[in-house]
Amino acid sequence: QVQLQESGPGLVKPSETLSLTCAVSGYSISSGYYWGWIRQPPGKGLEWIGSIYHSGSTYYNPSLKSRVTISVDTSKNQFSLKLSSVTAADTAVYYCARGDYGDYVLGHYYYYMDVWGKGTTVTVSS
Amino acid sequence: QSVLTQPPSVSAAPGQKVTISCSGSSSNIGNNYVSWYQQLPGTAPKLLIYDNNKRPSGIPDRFSGSKSGTSATLGITGLQTGDEADYYCGTWDSSLSVLVFGGGTKLTVL
Repeated sequence: QVQLQESGPGLVKPSETLSLTCAVSGYSISSGYYWGWIRQPPGKGLEWIGSIYHSGSTYYNPSLKSRVTISVDTSKNQFSLKLSSVTAADTAVYYCARGDYGDYVLGHYYYYMDVWGKGTTVTVSS
Repeated sequence: QSVLTQPPSVSAAPGQKVTISCSGSSSNIGNNYVSWYQQLPGTAPKLLIYDNNKRPSGIPDRFSGSKSGTSATLGITGLQTGDEADYYCGTWDSSLSVLVFGGGTKLTVL
């Protein structure tokens, strides 16, 4: 049974860097899939932050790309998120998730997140 | 403003059927596959439907998905009070190169 668990500080000061880690159990990251981060501001919907392939290739939401870094540590079977220069607008529940992405037919893509962590609340405040 | 448009809320009585719509464009739903997620209060989203109409193992056949043109629909039959949740559609947007989600629909089982 694949399980994901987020960890990291629950409070980050404005202008600082938010850092979260997602520990994966029950599946080796090196074996495949895309590993991603999604966030949900209080009372709002889901926003995809970005994903990393097991090989290390990264894909970021253009709206956050200048501030986001996602990395993977296969030796620890975990992946991480760094979001720099945070503001109150970055206050959210942050989820890590496993994703499957590809195209059965050229140019027609599937991308879904099939296993999610429980989420961790991050508040940006001084 | 979400790229995918969902009704903010729907409601129906226990045992009845409800549908939730998700409207997009040719750069997302029109050319790519849709997934649906259920988020029970205070919990993480859970995959309900992928590839427009496939159910992961363990998801009951009361849940179904369909797609036509640039719109997708989630159907739930035999409604139960435990189905009260927020439901989100999602798909890849080829123009934006982003995994996009709808704004979510709150289902109330009266």
